[in-house]
Amino acid sequence: QSALTQEASVSGTVGQKVTLSCTGNSNNIGTYAVGWYQQISHGAPKTVMFGNSLPSGIPDRFSGSKSGTTASLTISGLQPEDEADYYCSTWDYSLSAWVFGGGTKLTVL
Amino acid sequence: QLQLQESGPGLVKPSETLSLTCTVSGGSISNSSYYWGWIRQPPGKGLEWIGSIFYTGSTYYNPSLRSRVTISVDTSKNHFSLKLSSVTAADTAVYYCARRSGIRQPLDYWGQGTLVTVSS
Repeated sequence: QSALTQEASVSGTVGQKVTLSCTGNSNNIGTYAVGWYQQISHGAPKTVMFGNSLPSGIPDRFSGSKSGTTASLTISGLQPEDEADYYCSTWDYSLSAWVFGGGTKLTVL
Repeated sequence: QLQLQESGPGLVKPSETLSLTCTVSGGSISNSSYYWGWIRQPPGKGLEWIGSIFYTGSTYYNPSLRSRVTISVDTSKNHFSLKLSSVTAADTAVYYCARRSGIRQPLDYWGQGTLVTVSS
């Protein structure tokens, strides 16, 4: 069982806004910056958000936020190429390890 | 543009040691702003952090793998390496190397990954 909890699947239509969530606790998300990683068709993960920063080359329709022990990745104006698995990750100081969520499969209808 | 490239055998026998290298191009592994590490993904499963290293050689390992993992760095070759001993079929996975911009910061760059299969 993952230390971070993500929805197993989320779907949306082209142009819609969708939000993916990542829930942890005070030992991880409540204290440390969260990264979000996109994995298309089992290829290499790509960072789409780290902390509140958008990496170079990532469309600004991606945004990240955090409230307490839950982090969120929002995609405004969903595109077909956004269909992928998305993983969240952060440091957990009680486990002394970087932990990942189980991943959310985003389907663009 | 920073690039990370994993290399090493794609097939390892049970009980032997898995060895991989990550070569960094487009940037210096000795840059004091960054940490380097390994993550793996078993077929059809999620991501698991293996460990991280700083250019000075300071290492941080996943407690669940610590007894079997060694990560080292060679600044002269601009690469870092992973050794995982006493492998079993459960260690079959795609292994990724990656960079983070601070000891507690998320990953920012990833390699393409390399599949390692443990089988006799």
